[in-house]
Amino acid sequence: EDQVTQSPEALRLQEGESSSLNCSYTVSGLRGLFWYRQDPGKGPEFLFTLYSAGEEKEKERLKATLTKKESFLHITAPKPEDSATYLCAVRDNSGGSNYKLTFGKGTLLTVNP
Amino acid sequence: GAVVSQHPSRVICKSGTSVKIECRSLDFQATTMFWYRQFPKQSLMLMATSNEGSKATYEQGVEKDKFLINHASLTLSTLTVTSAHPEDSSFYICSVIKPDTQYFGPGTRLTVL
Repeated sequence: EDQVTQSPEALRLQEGESSSLNCSYTVSGLRGLFWYRQDPGKGPEFLFTLYSAGEEKEKERLKATLTKKESFLHITAPKPEDSATYLCAVRDNSGGSNYKLTFGKGTLLTVNP
Repeated sequence: GAVVSQHPSRVICKSGTSVKIECRSLDFQATTMFWYRQFPKQSLMLMATSNEGSKATYEQGVEKDKFLINHASLTLSTLTVTSAHPEDSSFYICSVIKPDTQYFGPGTRLTVL
C-alpha cells in the first residue's frame, strides 16, 4: 500500500525567509509525484509533476525536487500570498490505466508580512 | 482557467434527506472523473472513480448504495448522498484527468444537521 508522509505539519515563516517542505513516500513503483496547493475552502490547485529521481521543476518562488524516497518543495523568499496548505500525492504503476492518487495530510504554510 | 466546476459550493440539509452534487468538466470530454472526500486536517481520500456510460468503481469501505454516482455524459458526473447523516458532513471534491494530470474542482461543503 502506498504511503505519503509530509513534514512539518505546519510551518510559519517571515516574508522573505526561505525554507523547504518534505514529502516522504513509499510506493511499489512510482508513476508520478504531484504537488498541489490548497487554499481554505477550495479544491487543490496543481503545481508540479515529477516522474524520476533527480528531476526538478520550478514555478516562480517554488522549486520541487525528487529523490527515490522523498520530494522537497523549496520556497524562496516567500510572500504572504504563498500561505496555503501544500499537498503531496503519488501515483503508482500498478493497475494499468488506474489513476489513483495517494495523498499526504499536507503542510500548512503561513507567511507573515 | 478553471478545468472543473462543482455545484453547489455549499449545502446544508437535514438528517435523512438526500443531496446531489454536480461535477462538470468545462473544456474537454472526460470519460473518467474522480470523487474525493476531505475531513478537516485530513488527507483527500478517494471515494470512487466515475466512468462515463458504466458503473462507478468504489474504494474499499465506501458504501455504493449511500453514495450514488452517475456519469451520464462526457462532461457531467453527479454524486448523490442518500439518507445523509451528520457523519457525512465533509468537503467533497471531484477531479478529472487532463491528460496525465489530475485537476480538481472547487469542492462542495456538505453540512448535515
